Amino acid sequence: AQSVTQLGSHVSVSEGALVLLRCNYSSSVPPYLFWYVQYPNQGLQLLLKYTSAATLVKGINGFEAEFKKSETSFHLTKPSAHMSDAAEYFCAVSRYGNNRLAFGKGNQVVVIP
Amino acid sequence: DVKVTQSSRYLVKRTGEKVFLECVQDMDHENMFWYRQDPGLGLRLIYFSYDVKMKEKGDIPEGYSVSREKKERFSLILESASTNQTSMYLCASSSGRETDTQYFGPGTRLTVL
Repeated sequence: AQSVTQLGSHVSVSEGALVLLRCNYSSSVPPYLFWYVQYPNQGLQLLLKYTSAATLVKGINGFEAEFKKSETSFHLTKPSAHMSDAAEYFCAVSRYGNNRLAFGKGNQVVVIP
Repeated sequence: DVKVTQSSRYLVKRTGEKVFLECVQDMDHENMFWYRQDPGLGLRLIYFSYDVKMKEKGDIPEGYSVSREKKERFSLILESASTNQTSMYLCASSSGRETDTQYFGPGTRLTVL
């Protein structure tokens, strides 16, 4: 069954430093992969998604992710963290072919001034 | 913009009460979802509906039921609330394709005393 793994529930990053959130997937078929962000007291919103068109995917707010089949990974990066990036980030994989998603456990990102 | 609304942001109920959580979307989406979000566990799918009156169990359906009488509305029902159902509940909707974005409501934080 398709699933994703996110390590490290809490991630601290200094303002201006690289943001790197890791996501590894398990899938028996070519996966569709998503990153969602949840700002405090809000629902989730899409950051970016991989749908097999291009392996490097650019999203909103300066985030991007690279699909690497050989590493079964879809890590999320942003070159320079901003205070407004403090949020929880979820990786997800589409399963069963009908837009049902399996979510990872999330990364709570704290940005240190 | 897609809008998904949930009937309450905060709800406090007593053990044994019947609880209704309502979700409405305005984009004529086929799919609607109910998730439960708990710290350290990410999002877990409770139920999924792909059409009016159609539903499928998700990963944790025990203690819950759903109703979808109209395309835009998807209700989650706790037949007899218990303290272990205290959680954040998120509703989402999407079109029917596997690569589609899910759009989330702001969530309902339910406390069962």
